[in-house]
Amino acid sequence: SQTIHQWPATLVQPVGSPLSLECTVEGTSNPNLYWYRQAAGRGLQLLFYSVGIGQISSEVPQNLSASRPQDRQFILSSKKLLLSDSGFYLCAWNRETYNEQFFGPGTRLTVL
Amino acid sequence: SQQGEEDPQALSIQEGENATMNCSYKTSINNLQWYRQNSGRGLVHLILIRSNEREKHSGRLRVTLDTSKKSSSLLITASRAADTASYFCATVTQGAQKLVFGQGTRLTINP
Repeated sequence: SQTIHQWPATLVQPVGSPLSLECTVEGTSNPNLYWYRQAAGRGLQLLFYSVGIGQISSEVPQNLSASRPQDRQFILSSKKLLLSDSGFYLCAWNRETYNEQFFGPGTRLTVL
Repeated sequence: SQQGEEDPQALSIQEGENATMNCSYKTSINNLQWYRQNSGRGLVHLILIRSNEREKHSGRLRVTLDTSKKSSSLLITASRAADTASYFCATVTQGAQKLVFGQGTRLTINP
């Protein structure tokens, strides 16, 4: 069966510090991968998606970047965090673009 | 850009009652999906309905889709306390490679 992991689960970082969030998928190959951010009490905002290694599509101009160094690994990064980067970050995957997505447990990021 | 908009934003009902949530969207879709999110957790897929389908059932869930009105509804019958969560609709437009989520309905089931 397929599983998706995210770490860390929670993170508190000072403004201006770097960020690296990791997402890995097990039990499948060549998944589509997605990064979302969710503000408190709000819906999900798609940040990046990837249909293959090294292929990244950015949805929103921002302080963040994404990379996919391996087939089942998706990394969200920032060189210098802003207060507005605080939120709940969710990684998801699916096999076919139109199909349902499977979500990881999320990372709660607080920038102080 | 926001595609799906859920209504109401919050709903509180007694256990055993039915809960109905609505979703409206703006452009033509390939399919519409409903997800549930328990507080502080990831989303869980509930049901997918394609643009050529009008109704779909899964256990106590019933989803309808009216493409002429660009709207969908999620009905949860015989609600339970464990149904307390936020519910999101998400749409996939033709040719797109992504889901676009609404803001969600926060459902509270009172025992």
